Amino acid sequence: DAKTTQPTSMDCAEGRAANLPCNHSTISGNEYVYWYRQIHSQGPQYIIHGLKNNETNEMASLIITEDRKSSTLILPHATLRDTAVYYCIVRVAEGRGKSTFGDGTTLTVKP
Amino acid sequence: DGGITQSPKYLFRKEGQNVTLSCEQNLNHDAMYWYRQDPGQGLRLIYYSQIVNDFQKGDIAEGYSVSREKKESFPLTVTSAQKNPTAFYLCASRREGDSNQPQHFGDGTRLSIL
Repeated sequence: DAKTTQPTSMDCAEGRAANLPCNHSTISGNEYVYWYRQIHSQGPQYIIHGLKNNETNEMASLIITEDRKSSTLILPHATLRDTAVYYCIVRVAEGRGKSTFGDGTTLTVKP
Repeated sequence: DGGITQSPKYLFRKEGQNVTLSCEQNLNHDAMYWYRQDPGQGLRLIYYSQIVNDFQKGDIAEGYSVSREKKESFPLTVTSAQKNPTAFYLCASRREGDSNQPQHFGDGTRLSIL
């Protein structure tokens, strides 16, 4: 699985969009980008994933660059409850395998 | 409701004692995973299993053992050989047949040494 790089921490004002970047320059053609978040002392929660097209669901949007070497998770209207650690991971699409979770980005939403 | 159940939520171990952490899922997922998380750090993979009666070591398997006798169950034993077992342990499962499915996580077990 490709290695990802994320900023250690970010702040965002409540009600504003939170844009969380992730670099995955060694991603291969069959690897998907996944985003999870972890609120303190809970298990990670799946947010969204994509291969090469931009994706949107009820929680967030995922923007993947054309060369697929980086992506951005967008929380359109951040609330205090979005304060969490956000993990960006990549994993192979086919066959069996494991995912590697790095240290993630601690997002703090401030009133 | 379908999901992953980890028990107990908190567990205390005496020096030299083995303890077993339970993980049960009713999602009919083929793959199951165990991760360890230390304070302020990300998740590190201990063991994973993609089918019943088969499992693979992850990045930090030393001092741990697992079994996968049933599809829905993947218990983790922390043995006395694990010298620093205090951590937050997370279990996950995933449907393998559909290649891009995400992992689903339990709420974790926090293990401490007495």
